[in-house]
Amino acid sequence: GAGVSQSPSNKVTEKGKDVELRCDPISGHTALYWYRQSLGQGLEFLIYFQGNSAPDKSGLPSDRFSAERTGGSVSTLTIQRTQQEDSAVYLCASLLNRDNYGYTFGSGTRLTVV
Amino acid sequence: AQSVTQPDIHITVSEGASLELRCNYSYGATPYLFWYVQSPGQGLQLLLKYFSGDTLVQGIKGFEAEFKRSQSSFNLRKPSVHWSDAAEYFCAVVANSGYSTLTFGKGTMLLVSP
Repeated sequence: GAGVSQSPSNKVTEKGKDVELRCDPISGHTALYWYRQSLGQGLEFLIYFQGNSAPDKSGLPSDRFSAERTGGSVSTLTIQRTQQEDSAVYLCASLLNRDNYGYTFGSGTRLTVV
Repeated sequence: AQSVTQPDIHITVSEGASLELRCNYSYGATPYLFWYVQSPGQGLQLLLKYFSGDTLVQGIKGFEAEFKRSQSSFNLRKPSVHWSDAAEYFCAVVANSGYSTLTFGKGTMLLVSP
């Protein structure tokens, strides 16, 4: 597509439930990044994909968080047993190549854990 | 590891007045630097970026930024602010090697008064 698409745009879930957040990058973009934006915390890096591999998962805050990418395209971020501190906006970005650093960000998924 | 500091959490500027948003970075070599803007409910839009060369970089929407190596700064400026510039602004740095993960500052919220 023309841009990075994220779904759902908003998600309200009960504490303890699992959620899946989806990112559909720009076609052909090999690199994909997940960030979390919490109030007053800026954007925190979560995980990076190059193709279907994740060379850097260092930003995932706990083992309740996982992500996968299939077909070098769509990525899913899964949060298990959600906690209130997981409430945030989750942003996805994709990159064609690192020569021009032309990151394109999606509009994010706002997750609220109640 | 690289880091970015945006000292001002909020800034209020009168419409038509000039604007300067501060950004300081920490990185051992010459970094690649970015300014992004985020309007409410939107993803991040790239305003400008600096890789090398002329230290004064022009961006979209009338913004410019100046890279000062001696001060480890990359401040964003605009000569005359419009009400539509009200948004949150993020400075970011990426190492010019490896897999290019952006490291963001915590953002500066710009409010524009009539």
